[in-house]
Order: sequence, then C-alpha cells, then structure tokens
Amino acid sequence: QVQLQESGSGLVKPSQTLSLSCSVSGGHIKIDTFYWSWVRQPAGKGLEWLGRVHISGKTDYNPSLKSRLTMSVDTSKNQVSLNLRSATAADTAVYYCAREPSTTIYGVVVMYGMDVWGQGTSVTVAS
Amino acid sequence: EIVLTQSPGTLSLSPGDSATLSCRASQSITYNYLAWYQQKPGQAPRLLVYGASTRAIGISDRFGGSGSGTDFSLTISRLETEDFAVYHCQQYGTSPWTFGQGTRVE
Repeated sequence: QVQLQESGSGLVKPSQTLSLSCSVSGGHIKIDTFYWSWVRQPAGKGLEWLGRVHISGKTDYNPSLKSRLTMSVDTSKNQVSLNLRSATAADTAVYYCAREPSTTIYGVVVMYGMDVWGQGTSVTVAS
Repeated sequence: EIVLTQSPGTLSLSPGDSATLSCRASQSITYNYLAWYQQKPGQAPRLLVYGASTRAIGISDRFGGSGSGTDFSLTISRLETEDFAVYHCQQYGTSPWTFGQGTRVE
C-alpha cells in the first residue's frame, strides 16, 4: 500500500525559501499515471491547492503562487519536492502531498481526485 | 478560477440521521470532476467520492455523491459517530484546482 510522508524545515524565516520533501513508499514514483500534488491548510482554515508535478517534469502551478513555486520529482530517492521562495507569514500552514491517479482512455486523460495523502507537516514562517 | 461554495457551514445532527451537503460552483465543472473529502481533526483529508458520484475504494455505501454542472451534493445516510467531521468539495476539471470552504458535521 502506497504511503506518503512529508518532511522539511518546520520553521522558516521570512524572505527565505520553504523547502519540503514527500517520500513515497510502497510504490514507485516513476509510474507515469500519477501526478503528485501539494495542498496546504492554515490553522483553522480551508484547503488550498498549490500545484502538481508529473514524472515527465510537467508542472501545473496555482497562479497565485506560480512566481515563487518550484516542484520536482527525484526518482532516485522516490521523492517529490516543493520549494516556495520569499516566504511570508501567510505561508504558515500544514502542507500535504497527495497522489493524483489518471488513465488515458481513447486519448482522453481521465482523473480520479487525490486518493492518497501524506499526514502533513507543519511549517511556520517567523523570525 | 472556479469558486466553490459549500453550504451549510455547519450541520448539527445526531447519529442515525441523514446529512445532505451542498457544493455550488461559479461555473460548470469540466467532466463533472468534483471530489468530496472527509477530514478529522489533526488528520489529512480522505477521498470519499470522485467524478461527482463514484465512491473511492473502501468507502461505505452510506456516502453518496450526486450532481452535475454547477450543483453537487454529498449525502450521508445513517450517520455514525465516526462520520462527524469536516467535508470538503474540490474541483479538478479546470486548473487551478480549488476547494470549497468546508462543511462541519457535528
């Protein structure tokens, strides 16, 4: 059974880069039918989708964060990573990684939501 | 981006009751790519329904999704104590994916 585990710096200073990793176990990240998404949730608030990355290197970022965001896949480590530059207090949240399965049927990509989630990692941006 | 509005904000019910949660989109959702997630305190969201009406693997048939276009709903029949949680809808038909603000079932 596939499991995801986020890790990274729990405390980031303002203006610095927030860096997180998501380790995938119980399955290989190379399978090209999966996208890997990042979602965050400030304390007591709703969920915000940050973006997603595919093994091919294709990315899809939320325009609200696109200028600060980089996501990548490291197949040698079976990990997905997120870097958010110029962090501010507004980036304080629990960050989740999630798997998005897909299939291609008659040339159409069919998607199935986010079926596996990590437990989340809390990040605070403060001096 | 597509804005999802969930109602009500809070639903106060008792075990054995049925719950109907609403999710309305600001524009039509492509392919009805609408998912529902359950989230309990301190836990990650859990996928319940995708494609508006298909239950995820291992999800009880007490959970049912319906709707199309801009209006969707999640029905939970015969509420059990473990169902009391926050429920989020999410659209993944048009980037950026967006979530509703959540409905708390208490």
